[in-house]
Amino acid sequence: AQSVSQHNHHVILSEAASLELGCNYSYGGTVNLFWYVQYPGQHLQLLLKYFSGDPLVKGIKGFEAEFIKSKFSFNLRKPSVQWSDTAEYFCAPDTGRRALTFGSGTRLQVQP
Amino acid sequence: DSGVTQTPKHLITATGQRVTLRCSPRSGDLSVYWYQQSLDQGLQFLIQYYNGEERAKGNILERFSAQQFPDLHSELNLSSLELGDSALYFCASSLPTGTGLHYGYTFGSGTRLTVV
Repeated sequence: AQSVSQHNHHVILSEAASLELGCNYSYGGTVNLFWYVQYPGQHLQLLLKYFSGDPLVKGIKGFEAEFIKSKFSFNLRKPSVQWSDTAEYFCAPDTGRRALTFGSGTRLQVQP
Repeated sequence: DSGVTQTPKHLITATGQRVTLRCSPRSGDLSVYWYQQSLDQGLQFLIQYYNGEERAKGNILERFSAQQFPDLHSELNLSSLELGDSALYFCASSLPTGTGLHYGYTFGSGTRLTVV
C-alpha cells in the first residue's frame, strides 16, 4: 500500500535560518507530489506541486522542493524562514489510485 | 476565500446526536473529498464523491455517511456521535483530470465539531 513519511514532527528555527523538511513516499509508479501548508486556525493551502519535468519546483512564499525519484523523496526547503512561516506542513503524494494521502505533518515554529 | 464553502464553522452537540456538515465545491470542480483532522490521527481521508457518485472510501465509520447532490454540493452525516468524533472536518474539491491523478485540492475552512 502507498504510504508517506514525514520524519520531522516538530521543528523550531530562528528567523533567517534555513529550512528543510523531509518527505518520503512508497510508490514506484507515476506520482504527482504536493506540499500543503496549514497556518494556525486555517485550512490547508497548496504550497507547491510537482507533476513532471524539472525536479526542482518553486512554490509560493519562497518555498521550493526537490523531487528525487531514486530516493522516493520530495523535500521542502526555504533558504531563510520568517516568523510568518510558522505553520504545519503536509506532504501528499498522488498516485492516482485514490484520494490524496497526507503525511502526519511537520509543525514548524519560527522564533523571532 | 478558497471557493470551497463549508457550513457551519463550529458545531457543539451532545453524545448520541446526529449532525450534518455541508460543503459546496469550487465552481467547476466535480470531486468532493471529506477529511477528518484530529490531534492524534492527523488528516484522515473519509470519502470521495465524483459528480454525484461515491468514488472512494477511506477510514469512514459506519455511523458516518455522505452524499453529493445534483448541484454538486455534498453533505456529511455523522450519527450516534461519540466524544472521539470531536475533530475538524474538512471538505476539499478538485478538477477532473481524466488520468486519475490530481491537479491539487482546494480546501474549505472546515467545520469544528465538538461532542460533549
